[in-house]
Amino acid sequence: EAQVTQNPRYLITVTGKKLTVTCSQNMNHEYMSWYRQDPGLGLRQIYYSMNVEVTDKGDVPEGYKVSRKEKRNFPLILESPSPNQTSLYFCASSLGGGPLHFGNGTRLTVT
Amino acid sequence: AQSVSQHNHHVILSEAASLELGCNYSYGGTVNLFWYVQYPGQHLQLLLKYFSGDPLVKGIKGFEAEFIKSKFSFNLRKPSVQWSDTAEYFCAVERDRDDKIIFGKGTRLHILP
Repeated sequence: EAQVTQNPRYLITVTGKKLTVTCSQNMNHEYMSWYRQDPGLGLRQIYYSMNVEVTDKGDVPEGYKVSRKEKRNFPLILESPSPNQTSLYFCASSLGGGPLHFGNGTRLTVT
Repeated sequence: AQSVSQHNHHVILSEAASLELGCNYSYGGTVNLFWYVQYPGQHLQLLLKYFSGDPLVKGIKGFEAEFIKSKFSFNLRKPSVQWSDTAEYFCAVERDRDDKIIFGKGTRLHILP
């Protein structure tokens, strides 16, 4: 079954404590991307990757890092989380041309 | 800055009514266009997409959208909505020059049974 798997689904942390949200896809997709969803703002792209070792900033990359060492994995790293990064995060993948499969989301709360 | 505008933030319709959700974008270059649906508590699902060719595209669940290049618009339509169409709908634009994606802020659709 085609899947994009994000972990964890829920995460509560404190300001400044580094965290990683994992994302893995089993479809051999080249394109992967991260979004945050906030009420009234829709989805905003954080980072995207067209292939292994190729990553680019989206609209709101500040405070986030990503890596793409393998095709299937695209972790999102918050080196020093702050309360304004409290949000619902989605990972997505496709062969190219826009996100096709989305993960189930990670709800992050930073206190 | 490039943007995607969804004019209706909240739409309420009765079952069997016709639906049209507006989407306009501000980018002069080549774009790919998408509509996604998000049911309550779920992730986004792709409804339909336009890359090139026939500007009228058909998607899943009876939805269609028309790309009007001169108006920078990509409106979503459905002739007869069902209660199960209650969801939030997002328009998105992918810029061809750098593959960056911009989403609209979404339209909440509520269908009355």
